[in-house]
Amino acid sequence: EAGVTQFPSHSVIEKGQTVTLRCDPISGHDNLYWYRRVMGKEIKFLLHFVKESKQDESGMPNNRFLAERTGGTYSTLKVQPAELEDSGVYFCASSQYRTTEAFFGQGTRLTVV
Amino acid sequence: EDQVTQSPEALRLQEGESSSLNCSYTVSGLRGLFWYRQDPGKGPEFLFTLYSAGEEKEKERLKATLTKKESFLHITAPKPEDSATYLCAVQAESGGGADGLTFGKGTHLIIQP
Repeated sequence: EAGVTQFPSHSVIEKGQTVTLRCDPISGHDNLYWYRRVMGKEIKFLLHFVKESKQDESGMPNNRFLAERTGGTYSTLKVQPAELEDSGVYFCASSQYRTTEAFFGQGTRLTVV
Repeated sequence: EDQVTQSPEALRLQEGESSSLNCSYTVSGLRGLFWYRQDPGKGPEFLFTLYSAGEEKEKERLKATLTKKESFLHITAPKPEDSATYLCAVQAESGGGADGLTFGKGTHLIIQP
């Protein structure tokens, strides 16, 4: 069974540009989460989808971040315009139910220069 | 606000030298405490979920325990392949906080042959 897939694995963009990260969850998993780890800090929750609906976006840093989940399948996280402090590793995770363990993708390393 | 503190930040052991990693937490109603393993360049890999004080779970050389304030990950007779960063995370009850996991910074474990 395929795991959680994220791409690209790495992205280097200039400040002010736009970047879109993609996550394909495990098939059948209704719950999809985005997390971020900035250098030296812990992994932080960004938002939670249940199917195509945003259940909790309390961790989104500001309105430059936009997440979508088309038809309850894959999800995208767009950063527009990117700032230097957006650099970090963005992880996606999925789970069958909210109360069960979440499986993580390998992450997208974003570098804003 | 939910918080997770892990100690030590780094630990170097000889192969076969048993030890324990600590995870102290404060959460507005604990739904579950999770242990993950993370290898460089990869996403967190699920190890255990603990739900209530007194619960214990084992997997190969690892055993996780839970009290009302902390969790321990005991590593018995570790091997070099156990080298990784071990992450602790908590999930709050519904309505008790963000939907996602609150992570600690992790313990970087190195097992020397």
